[in-house]
Amino acid sequence: GAVVSQHPSWVICKSGTSVKIECRSLDFQATTMFWYRQFPKQSLMLMATSNEGSKATYEQGVEKDKFLINHASLTLSTLTVTSAHPEDSSFYICSATATSGLGYTFGSGTRLTVV
Amino acid sequence: GDSVTQMEGPVTLSEEAFLTINCTYTATGYPSLFWYVQYPGEGLQLLLKATKADDKGSNKGFEATYRKETTSFHLEKGSVQVSDSAVYFCALRTGANSKLTFGKGITLSVRP
Repeated sequence: GAVVSQHPSWVICKSGTSVKIECRSLDFQATTMFWYRQFPKQSLMLMATSNEGSKATYEQGVEKDKFLINHASLTLSTLTVTSAHPEDSSFYICSATATSGLGYTFGSGTRLTVV
Repeated sequence: GDSVTQMEGPVTLSEEAFLTINCTYTATGYPSLFWYVQYPGEGLQLLLKATKADDKGSNKGFEATYRKETTSFHLEKGSVQVSDSAVYFCALRTGANSKLTFGKGITLSVRP
């Protein structure tokens, strides 16, 4: 079946540094990638939607200059948290879908802790 | 806007107990409805889905029926196992390949 590989699975970084999270679709072409954020005991909140080769569309309230999303190829999308602060500590999950309508395939998530 | 409401958790059951997890939704148009499961340390996996009213999704002993009249999609299983311990999310989507809207999720713990 369709697989999305997300790395790293967890990362600890110092406040003020940047962190990059990668999601790769291993056996299909991910024309659309969704990036979610999950707070403890809360739901997944959609941060942005990106289509290959296009600029990402950010949800209201999400800072596009802080959460940089790149979807330069059909198999790779990245989320970079710039100048991270402790309040950015969260669980980030990507989800990919293809135009063939295979449904959504989720990555295993990245636990980011900013100290 | 679209929204999904799940019952408050967590839920703790003994093995072989009956499970019901409530889910209701608000949406414009005619959404597709989903249940996703997240096992510890893993990403979300699709458990089952229904795309129109009165459809019943089923998988691994779990079932949910799309009830348009009550805008609900409750998840049920007749006999839970320890391996069913996970977080369960109800979600909806309006339109193909558009974003999913999730409920808060509920943690299920099954005791031996």
